[in-house]
Amino acid sequence: EIVLTQSPATLSLSPGERATVSCRASQSVSSYLAWYQQKPGQAPRLLIYDASNRATGIPARFSGSGSGTDFTLTISSLEPEDFAVYYCQQRSNWPRTFGQGTKVEIK
Amino acid sequence: EVQLLESGGGLVQPGGSLRLSCAASGFTFSACDMNWVRQAPGKGLEWVSIITGGGTSTYYADSLKGRFTISRDNSKNTLYLQMNSLRAEDTAVYYCVKSMSGWGFFDSWGQGTLVTVSS
Repeated sequence: EIVLTQSPATLSLSPGERATVSCRASQSVSSYLAWYQQKPGQAPRLLIYDASNRATGIPARFSGSGSGTDFTLTISSLEPEDFAVYYCQQRSNWPRTFGQGTKVEIK
Repeated sequence: EVQLLESGGGLVQPGGSLRLSCAASGFTFSACDMNWVRQAPGKGLEWVSIITGGGTSTYYADSLKGRFTISRDNSKNTLYLQMNSLRAEDTAVYYCVKSMSGWGFFDSWGQGTLVTVSS
């Protein structure tokens, strides 16, 4: 099973600041990595797929990068609605696995 | 617009069974791989299972050890999850999730149904 490790666990930032979330895989997943956003009481939403492609309707302030074992989700300038939990997920191998999540909270 | 509506959750005793359903609309259901993903209270996301559009292939999380069975009825645009020998650690919100093409990522999610395993 591929283990995805996210860092940090919590990120405390102010609106307008840049957020950077990391995801490291225990073995290469090529570019088969996605990022999801989840707000309290809601289902997750796909943000980024195949490491760097924005999903439909996702604002340009969200970007993804990386390949192999190291990936990054960047939010260039935090909006109030961006404070949420973010998960990475791989589809390179079975079973599909998620990272443990990173909470982006208001400082 | 894609809509996924789960039902069938509730309270069940340890060792019991439950069947979840997911009614799909707004897309060609038979052409899409479908998944179940769960989330224990206050915890992260855990992928449970996937089934191909035609229903011929399935995969499961290793932790389920044959207790869960995913299936679908394309004539009814409905996805199912049969859960047997339920344990306290199966307590979670279960999401019905549509995959992008080709065993892809999860691009549409239902709102989830809560399963509570407790005596």
